[in-house]
Amino acid sequence: GQQVMQIPQYQHVQEGEDFTTYCNSSTTLSNIQWYKQRPGGHPVFLIQLVKSGEVKKQKRLTFQFGEAKKNSSLHITATQTTDVGTYFCAGPDVGNAGGTSYGKLTFGQGTILTVHP
Amino acid sequence: NAGVTQTPKFQVLKTGQSMTLQCAQDMNHNSMYWYRQDPGMGLRLIYYSASEGTTDKGEVPNGYNVSRLNKREFSLRLESAAPSQTSVYFCASVNTGARGTQYFGPGTRLLVL
Repeated sequence: GQQVMQIPQYQHVQEGEDFTTYCNSSTTLSNIQWYKQRPGGHPVFLIQLVKSGEVKKQKRLTFQFGEAKKNSSLHITATQTTDVGTYFCAGPDVGNAGGTSYGKLTFGQGTILTVHP
Repeated sequence: NAGVTQTPKFQVLKTGQSMTLQCAQDMNHNSMYWYRQDPGMGLRLIYYSASEGTTDKGEVPNGYNVSRLNKREFSLRLESAAPSQTSVYFCASVNTGARGTQYFGPGTRLLVL
């Protein structure tokens, strides 16, 4: 079945350093989504990328979708303690009924980011 | 507009006890999901409901049952809890109109002794 792999599993940085997490899918994706989960919290949707080669920015966060639509990355510039948490990528499954996805996603294992002040 | 709500927030069970985790959404979404999250394992899909009246198994369905009570509510039942079911359980509601963006509830933290 479809697999979504994320690396690294853990990343420890000093505040102010940059951070990048990478996501790779075993299949071509129609879109990729990123979620953030704060410690003790629940996953929260950050962004969705749809187009091949797409780049989107949210303040210090930069999201990229690969040309082949099988990989993606999230880069945080000058990390802050508020960036602490787990970052997940997720790609949609395709169901059997005429390609309807029902919104089912395959999540990567996540990258746990720790920021030391 | 509360989004996705889950009850209870915390629960301690003894092995063999049963319980039902409740989930409700007020966003008029068709699809709903139940995940469990264990350290280092990410989010694993237990069951999902693509629409009212339908349910399907996910990656780890053994030991669980679900009920899609109506469009708003999707419950998860543990008939005979086991220590291996100690986990954090998240319910999610899906906006299929927005390419499947998932909205998660706050989670239920379950400890089975």
